[in-house]
Amino acid sequence: AQSVTQLDSQVPVFEEAPVELRCNYSSSVSVYLFWYVQYPNQGLQLLLKYLSGSTLVKGINGFEAEFNKSQTSFHLRKPSVHISDTAEYFCAVSDPNFNKFYFGSGTKLNVKP
Amino acid sequence: DVKVTQSSRYLVKRTGEKVFLECVQDMDHENMFWYRQDPGLGLRLIYFSYDVKMKEKGDIPEGYSVSREKKERFSLILESASTNQTSMYLCASSAELAGSDTQYFGPGTRLTVL
Repeated sequence: AQSVTQLDSQVPVFEEAPVELRCNYSSSVSVYLFWYVQYPNQGLQLLLKYLSGSTLVKGINGFEAEFNKSQTSFHLRKPSVHISDTAEYFCAVSDPNFNKFYFGSGTKLNVKP
Repeated sequence: DVKVTQSSRYLVKRTGEKVFLECVQDMDHENMFWYRQDPGLGLRLIYFSYDVKMKEKGDIPEGYSVSREKKERFSLILESASTNQTSMYLCASSAELAGSDTQYFGPGTRLTVL
């Protein structure tokens, strides 16, 4: 089974500062990679996903992530965060042959004014 | 717009009660999923269904069962609720049975078992 590690459980950052949320996964075989966001009192929604092709993936709300196969990482970045980005972010990995997702433990991003 | 709804946002039950959590999707999706979300553990898959009346165990199926009698509805059943089942339960659906497909989530049901 896959495992997904999100190294930071909480990330505090000031508004307009850049942020990087880290994600590493265990498998060296081909996988699909996702970032989901969960705003307070809501379900998860997709931010972006990597299936193939360019290793830099752009998502909604100005977020992007870079797939690094050699380091088995898929870190999420935003150059300038807003208060409205305060949420919990989940990295997920799926097996290309089966619709089964493995989620990380989540990173809470707290954007301060 | 895609929509997944869950019957309750908050639920309080007593130990030993039978509990039903309902999930409905309006996207004609083939696949539906039940996860539980616990702090520091992320989401863990309980069961999923890839067709009506079909189900597969996820990573933590013990103490749970599921029912899918109609395509749009997927129920999670706790036969005899226990305090360690206090958690947030999330339902999701997806169109394709492929690892590339996006899952769409409901808002969650926060279950407390006393």
